Amino acid sequence: SQTIHQWPATLVQPVGSPLSLECTVEGTSNPNLYWYRQAAGRGLQLLFYSVGIGQISSEVPQNLSASRPQDRQFILSSKKLLLSDSGFYLCAWIAGGRDTGELFFGEGSRLTVL
Amino acid sequence: GESVGLHLPTLSVQEGDNSIINCAYSNSASDYFIWYKQESGKGPQFIIDIRSNMDKRQGQRVTVLLNKTVKHLSLQIAATQPGDSAVYFCAENMGGPGGGNKLTFGTGTQLKVEL
Repeated sequence: SQTIHQWPATLVQPVGSPLSLECTVEGTSNPNLYWYRQAAGRGLQLLFYSVGIGQISSEVPQNLSASRPQDRQFILSSKKLLLSDSGFYLCAWIAGGRDTGELFFGEGSRLTVL
Repeated sequence: GESVGLHLPTLSVQEGDNSIINCAYSNSASDYFIWYKQESGKGPQFIIDIRSNMDKRQGQRVTVLLNKTVKHLSLQIAATQPGDSAVYFCAENMGGPGGGNKLTFGTGTQLKVEL
């Protein structure tokens, strides 16, 4: 069966520090991968998506970046965090090429920037 | 801004009653909508979806209705249970890679089930 893992689950970082959140998917090949951010009491904002290794599409200009070094690995990074980067970050996947809205989400990484 | 939004941020219902959660969208070209449930501290989970060639779709205790004329959809939960307490999001598939998998989510409605 397919599983998705995110880590770390919780992170507290000072303003200006770097960030690295990692997501891996098991049990599937060539998935579409997504990073969403959820601010407190808000909806999910799509940040990045990827249809293959090294292929990244950015939805929102900001100080975050994403990379996909391997087929089932998706990394969210920042060189210098801002207070506004605080939130709940969710990685998601879907089988590549499928016309469906059924995303499978990870458990999330809660980031607090102080 | 988001093209998908919800009318009410919080909905309280008695256990056993039916729940109706509403959602409006603005893009008349949208043709695929999905409902997700998010429990506290967890990632969202798929509930049910509907395409624009349908007005109604039923699942286990859930029904989604789509009114394309007024660009409105709703999620109905029958015999609401305490385990239904969560935030519910409607999402619109805006199209994208791999056959159209770029979802735009609304703000969400907090459903609270009272015993």
